[in-house]
Amino acid sequence: ETGVTQTPRHLVMGMTNKKSLKCEQHLGHNAMYWYKQSAKKPLELMFVYSLEERVENNSVPSRFSPECPNSSHLFLHLHTLQPEDSALYLCASSLGGGGPTDTQYFGPGTRLTVL
Amino acid sequence: DQQVKQNSPSLSVQEGRISILNCDYTNSMFDYFLWYKKYPAEGPTFLISISSIKDKNEDGRFTVFLNKSAKHLSLHIVPSQPGDSAVYFCAARGSGGGADGLTFGKGTHLIIQP
Repeated sequence: ETGVTQTPRHLVMGMTNKKSLKCEQHLGHNAMYWYKQSAKKPLELMFVYSLEERVENNSVPSRFSPECPNSSHLFLHLHTLQPEDSALYLCASSLGGGGPTDTQYFGPGTRLTVL
Repeated sequence: DQQVKQNSPSLSVQEGRISILNCDYTNSMFDYFLWYKKYPAEGPTFLISISSIKDKNEDGRFTVFLNKSAKHLSLHIVPSQPGDSAVYFCAARGSGGGADGLTFGKGTHLIIQP
């Protein structure tokens, strides 16, 4: 596998379920990101991790809980979600050093539907 | 309030002609601007970027122009090809020394007509 992978690609869950989204990067990057894309809205940054430490949390509800066990893996744990949380969840990674060459590379996304 | 705006939800261009996609921003702290391309069922793919100290960056058929005083950038694709049909996102970030999230526009759906 190369690049940034995400599993599952599609997920349907009830409001009382607990599920997790997984992201893995094979690029040797040090920073990982979660974004959310809702219908008719731009991609919105949710969380940023740099060297496994969370450096940004964009006022995301606590029903979304990120975890970064190492620089290659990122999880998003979901519990008691609402139907309005249905969206495309995208993971990205970058070298993390800032500057003009710190390009973010995206995975294919997980399409989440909350019933 | 949206800090990065792409005011054209869609754009149709004939194959072989120039495609011009526009983007405006409001945050003067943005220092780097990027364009991403997205096909259905795939994640965004990085295309080209520009630093605020430059006004132009070119890579093959793709050129990005930045007008810092107008807080406006544009992506030119010439000549346009059928495979260019996709959604194009403009994104921006500041010049922090470490990992920094991107602020995205809503995207422009480019359709290349044969």
